[in-house]
Amino acid sequence: DVKVTQSSRYLVKRTGEKVFLECVQDMDHENMFWYRQDPGLGLRLIYFSYDVKMKEKGDIPEGYSVSREKKERFSLILESASTNQTSMYLCASGKTVAATEAFFGQGTRLTVV
Amino acid sequence: KNQVEQSPQSLIILEGKNCTLQCNYTVSPFSNLRWYKQDTGRGPVSLTIMTFSENTKSNGRYTATLDADTKQSSLHITASQLSDSASYICVSSGAGKSTFGDGTTLTVKP
Repeated sequence: DVKVTQSSRYLVKRTGEKVFLECVQDMDHENMFWYRQDPGLGLRLIYFSYDVKMKEKGDIPEGYSVSREKKERFSLILESASTNQTSMYLCASGKTVAATEAFFGQGTRLTVV
Repeated sequence: KNQVEQSPQSLIILEGKNCTLQCNYTVSPFSNLRWYKQDTGRGPVSLTIMTFSENTKSNGRYTATLDADTKQSSLHITASQLSDSASYICVSSGAGKSTFGDGTTLTVKP
């Protein structure tokens, strides 16, 4: 069974904290993605990576950074968490940069208080 | 601007009934259209993927159709089950980008 695993299902962090969301895939995919999902806004792409150490900004990169040191692992970093970053965060991996046939992780529900 | 609009926003049906969800897209150039099912608190799971040359694809009780001329897609669910209660998301891709719809929330009641 193919898998994309996110390190936490639920997280509660304080405003101003540095937050790390981890994602690991076992499908040897070149491309990995971070989305956030908010009611009424659908999934919005934050960042994606098409190779180790390579990254591209998505539609809403402000307030976020990413790290891809190994092919199977893609991390999302909130440098200084704010309440408007409270959201569901979804990691995905896929064969194409357009996320065609992407496989998603189970999601991390982040609450910033 | 590329857009994907889904309707209805939410739908309640009785177990055993059929239903159809709609998706209109303006993505151009167009490469493919996917439907995902997302259970509450979970990540989306792919149901179907269609390129512009395909006009129908089935996955068990789920059948997706695509009209590339009118830029419309539908997802038909046959003989609904309680486990079909979920959000259904339409995604259109082209030129290396994917655009997600807001989803239709389906509730199946006994």
